[in-house]
Amino acid sequence: DAGVIQSPRHEVTEMGQEVTLRCKPISGHDYLFWYRQTMMRGLELLIYFNNNVPIDDSGMPEDRFSAKMPNASFSTLKIQPSEPRDSAVYFCASKQDGGDRTDTQYFGPGTRLTVL
Amino acid sequence: QKEVEQNSGPLSVPEGAIASLNCTYSDRGSQSFFWYRQYSGKSPELIMFIYSNGDKEDGRFTAQLNKASQYVSLLIRDSQPSDSATYLCAVNDYKLSFGAGTTVTVRA
Repeated sequence: DAGVIQSPRHEVTEMGQEVTLRCKPISGHDYLFWYRQTMMRGLELLIYFNNNVPIDDSGMPEDRFSAKMPNASFSTLKIQPSEPRDSAVYFCASKQDGGDRTDTQYFGPGTRLTVL
Repeated sequence: QKEVEQNSGPLSVPEGAIASLNCTYSDRGSQSFFWYRQYSGKSPELIMFIYSNGDKEDGRFTAQLNKASQYVSLLIRDSQPSDSATYLCAVNDYKLSFGAGTTVTVRA
């Protein structure tokens, strides 16, 4: 199994530009999570999907952020327009709902975003 | 108050010693608890989970849970330099709430 795949691994852009981060979850997993990690705020959940449907987007910082999951094997997180304070590592994670409270989330390698 | 609090660290221990990491959580209804390890520049990876009061051992790692005190800990026995990483405590309610992490350095 290839694990969770994220692209790009690194992104450097200028303030005001649109940024799109991509994620392919592990095949068969029905939950997908987007996290952001910074030194100041740690690891924060932005949004998660169940069976491609957004369930909780309360962590999305503002309207500049949007996420979609058009099918079970692909999700995007878009920032438009980007700002320097969006600089962080963005992780995607997925898990399979086995009805077990110990379901494990598997993280992708992350996308390191730098907004100049 | 944050949902999940960890002792701030950093924690420096000599090789072969026991590293003790602590975590408290605010939601008394929380059911399951996870410890993730994150090496610098890498993604978090699961070490172990626990959901019953008491101890759970996996190799050199022992997780301890006390729901009455809303406290979960992780012990790393016979610490090795390869254990040097940041350890994240997480509480599960279909979404994980993470603590800020404790950075551990094992001195050779």
